[in-house]
Amino acid sequence: KQEVTQIPAALSVPEGENLVLNCSFTDSAIYNLQWFRQDPGKGLTSLLLIQSSQREQTSGRLNASLDKSSGRSTLYIAASQPGDSATYLCAVRSDQTGANNLFFGTGTRLTVIP
Amino acid sequence: NAGVTQTPKFRILKIGQSMTLQCAQDMNHNYMYWYRQDPGMGLKLIYYSVGAGITDKGEVPNGYNVSRSTTEDFPLRLELAAPSQTSVYFCASSLNGGGAGELFFGEGSRLTVL
Repeated sequence: KQEVTQIPAALSVPEGENLVLNCSFTDSAIYNLQWFRQDPGKGLTSLLLIQSSQREQTSGRLNASLDKSSGRSTLYIAASQPGDSATYLCAVRSDQTGANNLFFGTGTRLTVIP
Repeated sequence: NAGVTQTPKFRILKIGQSMTLQCAQDMNHNYMYWYRQDPGMGLKLIYYSVGAGITDKGEVPNGYNVSRSTTEDFPLRLELAAPSQTSVYFCASSLNGGGAGELFFGEGSRLTVL
């Protein structure tokens, strides 16, 4: 079964710092990897989607990379702001058991200190 | 643009009661999903649908039922509610499966079973 792990579980940084969030997965047979943001009590907002044939995707201050062979993805956030404080979740879309399911990590809770 | 709409946002049930969580999307997406999110755990897939009239089980289907009579709607039915079904439920949709299948989520429905 696909297992997705995110380390660290929580991260606190001062405003303006660049930071990296990590995501690892056990089975490299994936269709894509997606990064989400979740604010307290809210739904998930899609940030970036990387298809299995791609190496990275960028959106504004966010850059996500994918290394399928090593089962790793990173989300790089440049010049962090207090508004970036949220939980960041990664999910891999896998075709195990024909379910075409997304397997989620438990997230990294980010706090950006003004 | 409404996206994915879930109702109700909050609900308290007594053990043994039944209810339906509603989900509607206005993006003409083929795929729809129901996930549950428990504290400290990743999201788990309950049921999914790849089109009207087609549904299939995910990882944790016991105690739930779904139907998909239209492209837009994908209700989740809880029969004989149990305390173990206390959770936050998220509905999601994607245009298609596979590598380009970016997921969009609703705001969630918080259910408490007492």
